[in-house]
Amino acid sequence: GAVVSQHPSWVICKSGTSVKIECRSLDFQATTMFWYRQFPKQSLMLMATSNEGSKATYEQGVEKDKFLINHASLTLSTLTVTSAHPEDSSFYICSARIEGPKRNSPLHFGNGTRLTVT
Amino acid sequence: KQEVTQIPAALSVPEGENLVLNCSFTDSAIYNLQWFRQDPGKGLTSLLLIQSSQREQTSGRLNASLDKSSGRSTLYIAASQPGDSATYLCAVRVQGAQKLVFGQGTRLTINP
Repeated sequence: GAVVSQHPSWVICKSGTSVKIECRSLDFQATTMFWYRQFPKQSLMLMATSNEGSKATYEQGVEKDKFLINHASLTLSTLTVTSAHPEDSSFYICSARIEGPKRNSPLHFGNGTRLTVT
Repeated sequence: KQEVTQIPAALSVPEGENLVLNCSFTDSAIYNLQWFRQDPGKGLTSLLLIQSSQREQTSGRLNASLDKSSGRSTLYIAASQPGDSATYLCAVRVQGAQKLVFGQGTRLTINP
């Protein structure tokens, strides 16, 4: 089945530093990937839609200069949390959908990245 | 604006019981509805996907139904096992959009 790999699974960084999270589709091409954020015991909130070869589309209230998204190939999207602060500590999850005729195919998720900013 | 609600927020049942998780959404203009499972600290595992034209989908002990006109879906789990303990999330894909809108989830505990 479709596999989405996310790396790292957890990261601890100091306040003010930047952290990059990678999301890869291992056995399919993904023109579009999605980045979600999840706070403890809460649901997933979409942050942005990552489009291969073009700018990401950010949801209202998400700072695009803080959460940099790069979708350089059909199998890789990266999320960089710049100048991280403790309030950025959260669980970040990426997802992707198999492209092609199956427009309504299921969304597949990575295992998430637990970011802790000290 | 699409809103998705899941009831109950938490559920604890003895092993072996059949149970139903509920999901409701406010806008019936959807492409599909997807049920996920999330274990603590982990990502999401897709369980079932129901297209807007379908009424139900089955996979093993899981059965998901969809009543688009009333904005409701249920996830039925038969003969529950301790390994079924997890948070179950439903999400809808709104027509004309790529993204999913998630409910808050139901935290399920199956007691041995």
